[in-house]
Amino acid sequence: DGGITQSPKYLFRKEGQNVTLSCEQNLNHDAMYWYRQDPGQGLRLIYYSQIVNDFQKGDIAEGYSVSREKKESFPLTVTSAQKNPTAFYLCASSMPSGETNEKLFFGSGTQLSVL
Amino acid sequence: QKEVEQNSGPLSVPEGAIASLNCTYSDRGSQSFFWYRQYSGKSPELIMSIYSNGDKEDGRFTAQLNKASQYVSLLIRDSQPSDSATYLCAVLWGNNRLAFGKGNQVVVIP
Repeated sequence: DGGITQSPKYLFRKEGQNVTLSCEQNLNHDAMYWYRQDPGQGLRLIYYSQIVNDFQKGDIAEGYSVSREKKESFPLTVTSAQKNPTAFYLCASSMPSGETNEKLFFGSGTQLSVL
Repeated sequence: QKEVEQNSGPLSVPEGAIASLNCTYSDRGSQSFFWYRQYSGKSPELIMSIYSNGDKEDGRFTAQLNKASQYVSLLIRDSQPSDSATYLCAVLWGNNRLAFGKGNQVVVIP
C-alpha cells in the first residue's frame, strides 16, 4: 500500500539529547513537509523540501534540522537547542498538481515528550 | 505576518443539526483554500478544497468562499456523532506553502 510512514509513534527525549524522527513515503511525491502541532493549536511548518538535496526553513525552524538525500525520506532531527520540543510532529508529502501542490498526505504522526 | 484565523471556541451541535465554521485569512492574494478534519490523536485528512467564490458542495459538507471579505466557511449538514472532531482551515500562500488555523472543535451531541 502506498503511503507515508512515520516512526516511532512515541518518542521520549532526555535533556540535551538530539533525537531523529523518521518519515518515509512510497507515493513518489516530490515535496515533503514537517509540521509541529501543540495542544489546541494548528499546524506550524518547521521545514519543507520540494526536491531531493534541497530544503527550506519554515516558520519555526530553530532547534531543528533535516536532510533530503533520497526522494522517499525526509528525517527530522530535534536538537538540544530546541528548548520546548514536546509536541505532535506530522510529516506530509505532496505531488505538485498543476499550479499548486496543496493535496497533502499526512503520516500518522510522532508524539515527542521530554523526560 | 500572514495569518489564518479561526476564532470560535468549541462548537456543540445536536445530532441532525447544521454545524457552521468560519475562517478568515490575511493574504488577499491567496487562491486555494482547504478544510481538514482531525480526530483526536490522529493526522488531518482533507475533506474540502475550494478555489472560486461561492459554494462548493460534497455530500453533507459545503464550503463557502468570499475572497472580497477574505473568509471561507464550512457547513456540515445533518451532523452525525462521527463528525465530532477538530476542523482545520488551511490557506495556500503564494510560495506554495500551506498555513493552518488553530482549528475548531466540533462536538455532535446524540
